[in-house]
Amino acid sequence: DIQMTQSPSSVSASIGDRVTITCRASQGISSWLAWYQQKPGKAPNLLIYATSSLHSGVPSRFSGSGSGTEFTLTISSLQPEDFATYYCQQTNRFPYSFGQGTKLEIK
Amino acid sequence: EVQVVESGGGLIQPGGSLRLSCAASGFSVSSNYMSWVRQAPGKGLAWVSGIDTAGNTYYADSVKGRFTISRDNSKNALYLQMNSLRADDTAVYYCAREGGGASSFDYWGQGTLVTVSS
Repeated sequence: DIQMTQSPSSVSASIGDRVTITCRASQGISSWLAWYQQKPGKAPNLLIYATSSLHSGVPSRFSGSGSGTEFTLTISSLQPEDFATYYCQQTNRFPYSFGQGTKLEIK
Repeated sequence: EVQVVESGGGLIQPGGSLRLSCAASGFSVSSNYMSWVRQAPGKGLAWVSGIDTAGNTYYADSVKGRFTISRDNSKNALYLQMNSLRADDTAVYYCAREGGGASSFDYWGQGTLVTVSS
């Protein structure tokens, strides 16, 4: 099975900051990597699919990159609504798996 | 409008069984890969089970042999039959459509809470 490891587990940042979250896969997953945002008490929302493609309606300040086993999610200029928990997910093969999450908090 | 709505959660004793339902609208479950994802209280997301368009089913090791995913095309619904429930199955269970690019999950339900406790 493929294990997904995110870092950091939590990060504190200010409005306007640039933030990068890393996700590593235990084996190569090509570009089969998605990112989700989840706010407390709500279902996750898809942000990015296929490593770097922005889902419909997602602001352009979100971007993704990487391939193989190392991937990143970058938020170029934090907005108040971006404070949430972010998860990566591999869909290269079953069983699918998520990273443990990165909580983005206001500094 | 695409929508998925879960139901069937509740309080169940260890060893018991429960069936979760996911009613889909705005798309056909038979034409999409579908998955169940759970989230234990205060924890992260965990993929549980999936079904593809051919009807092939897939499970996380933690539920294999205890949970069964199925769909009813006539009702446009997805199900998760959960047997031999354990305390560590306690979670919010989400139904999700695998309709985004590269098999990403583009639509999620609001979730249904399953609590396994005596």
